[in-house]
Amino acid sequence: DAKTTQPTSMDCAEGRAANLPCNHSTISGNEYVYWYRQIHSQGPQYIIHGLKNNETNEMASLIITEDRKSSTLILPHATLRDTAVYYCIVRDPFGGKLIFGQGTELSVKP
Amino acid sequence: GAVVSQHPSWVICKSGTSVKIECRSLDFQATTMFWYRQFPKQSLMLMATSNEGSKATYEQGVEKDKFLINHASLTLSTLTVTSAHPEDSSFYICSANLGQKETQYFGPGTRLLVL
Repeated sequence: DAKTTQPTSMDCAEGRAANLPCNHSTISGNEYVYWYRQIHSQGPQYIIHGLKNNETNEMASLIITEDRKSSTLILPHATLRDTAVYYCIVRDPFGGKLIFGQGTELSVKP
Repeated sequence: GAVVSQHPSWVICKSGTSVKIECRSLDFQATTMFWYRQFPKQSLMLMATSNEGSKATYEQGVEKDKFLINHASLTLSTLTVTSAHPEDSSFYICSANLGQKETQYFGPGTRLLVL
């Protein structure tokens, strides 16, 4: 079973920041937090991942709380193309498997 | 990021026939590949983990004789749906790791429709 909980859906205005929360209260010390997104009828796209520290790349920022029990994915300036299902996944670095939960359906509106 | 391709992108077949789906890592060697299935309006479900040169590891409830997986090289894994039935109609997606601790990259998916 997935070890994360996310809101089912969220809306965001185009051009504004989209903040997607994720709870992973049972995360273990060596497990990473990964974020992927899936645009309709396509394979999932890797966004970002982190262990303890906040991370930023060209797509997004990942903020992980100090106790690592939750995290937030931030899309700084959402566009219509960011409309997708966003998955937050806790991953065992040795097992390698990704177990997908239901994700958050983000709708970016004009 | 790394590129993973799948072929075909969609396939329609008659009930009782077998269908083979290919998954290739285009710009890296993948020691491990994964196969997922996704039904409409549902999340991805992991079917099996495929390691190059060894037998695949199937998730609980996935029939290994129904879904044959071969990972003969570091850039190619195949999934064969044997004796396909309408309930096997789904979106099949593969992914690949550069290494066990590395990021997993996904293919574009293959849509299977069994009539």
